[in-house]
Amino acid sequence: KNEVEQSPQNLTAQEGEFITINCSYSVGISALHWLQQHPGGGIVSLFMLSSGKKKHGRLIATINIQEKHSSLHITASHPRDSAVYICAVDRGNQFYFGTGTSLTVIP
Amino acid sequence: KAGVTQTPRYLIKTRGQQVTLSCSPISGHRSVSWYQQTPGQGLQFLFEYFSETQRNKGNFPGRFSGRQFSNSRSEMNVSTLELGDSALYLCASSLVRAGGDEQYFGPGTRLTVT
Repeated sequence: KNEVEQSPQNLTAQEGEFITINCSYSVGISALHWLQQHPGGGIVSLFMLSSGKKKHGRLIATINIQEKHSSLHITASHPRDSAVYICAVDRGNQFYFGTGTSLTVIP
Repeated sequence: KAGVTQTPRYLIKTRGQQVTLSCSPISGHRSVSWYQQTPGQGLQFLFEYFSETQRNKGNFPGRFSGRQFSNSRSEMNVSTLELGDSALYLCASSLVRAGGDEQYFGPGTRLTVT
């Protein structure tokens, strides 16, 4: 059983669409991270959340600790958003990762 | 500020050999974490070092080890390589603690074991 489940696994969107990626986890956590990985392997940390909501530009991340659920939203999607998005949870002494959501935004 | 650097970027080794990978964190960062990424298992946490001490460890066999130097640079070592060790190895640095701070990832070392 995976401690972290992401959905969908793959997502194709038209440029300009609103995108939502979901992450559910089954363990108690101290923080949740959203990561972005481009082809070639480079990973960028997008958000670190322990409660509520955060916004950076067109990206919004929310977390509901009681429901053990987080969402990553991309507004007005653009082809440069095409990447794999990974949810990771921090249990204090251990990280667990989702399998990632591969997003392709078509012009 | 320079980012996290990892050397080498690519490596090919034979089964049974050992390998050492290096990670230089962002200046001022004291926490370095290592991760393994494979197509089958995805990203997995290996260990975290802080102030030259291993603070947290993932579920990997003892063949995987690491250390951190006084300048916060870190190395990880894999002994008696197996085919399944072929992976992208990523390190990430943060100011104090991997979980409590933003993490900055290096470009990774792609290890191929033949």
